[in-house]
Amino acid sequence: DAEITQSPRHKITETGRQVTLACHQTWNHNNMFWYRQDLGHGLRLIHYSYGVQDTNKGEVSDGYSVSRSNTEDLPLTLESAASSQTSVYFCASSRGSGAFQETQYFGPGTRLLVL
Amino acid sequence: AQSVSQHNHHVILSEAASLELGCNYSYGGTVNLFWYVQYPGQHLQLLLKYFSGDPLVKGIKGFEAEFIKSKFSFNLRKPSVQWSDTAEYFCAVNAGGYQKVTFGIGTKLQVIP
Repeated sequence: DAEITQSPRHKITETGRQVTLACHQTWNHNNMFWYRQDLGHGLRLIHYSYGVQDTNKGEVSDGYSVSRSNTEDLPLTLESAASSQTSVYFCASSRGSGAFQETQYFGPGTRLLVL
Repeated sequence: AQSVSQHNHHVILSEAASLELGCNYSYGGTVNLFWYVQYPGQHLQLLLKYFSGDPLVKGIKGFEAEFIKSKFSFNLRKPSVQWSDTAEYFCAVNAGGYQKVTFGIGTKLQVIP
């Protein structure tokens, strides 16, 4: 079955280190998204991509970067981890090419703790 | 910019009670609306969605939601909740094209047996 996976599921890192969270989907979806989930804030969009070589900033993109070299993967990099980036990170994907009606499918999440 | 408000942040109900979770959005144009559910320790799953047509939408597990355009609302309802409905519920809106979805902050539902 097609799916969306994230790795690692749990990560502890130190302030200042670079961290990369992986997201892989086998649905061949054009669109991929990264969110962070924090108490009191719900889900906030970090970065998103509508296709290979396309990346866009979301509402909380500072300190994060993404790259899209193929359809299946959208890794999220924390350039220099900060304690404020301790969160649960969700990757999502959806069909469509510019159309805005498609449902997003979410991965299982990555819990990141920055000490 | 679009935004979503969920009025109830934490709801506690007894089993068999009726549920209504409020959701309002701010966007004047055409919208697509979603309710997602996150069970404890799990990822978000789609509960139901509204794109067009009948404003009363039925989803999985007996949930339904009604889109009232004049009130900019998309409230989630279930006539009789079960303990297994204990979860966090997120309303989301997609407007203005290009797949950007804005989520509300979520409502934690606790159902007491």
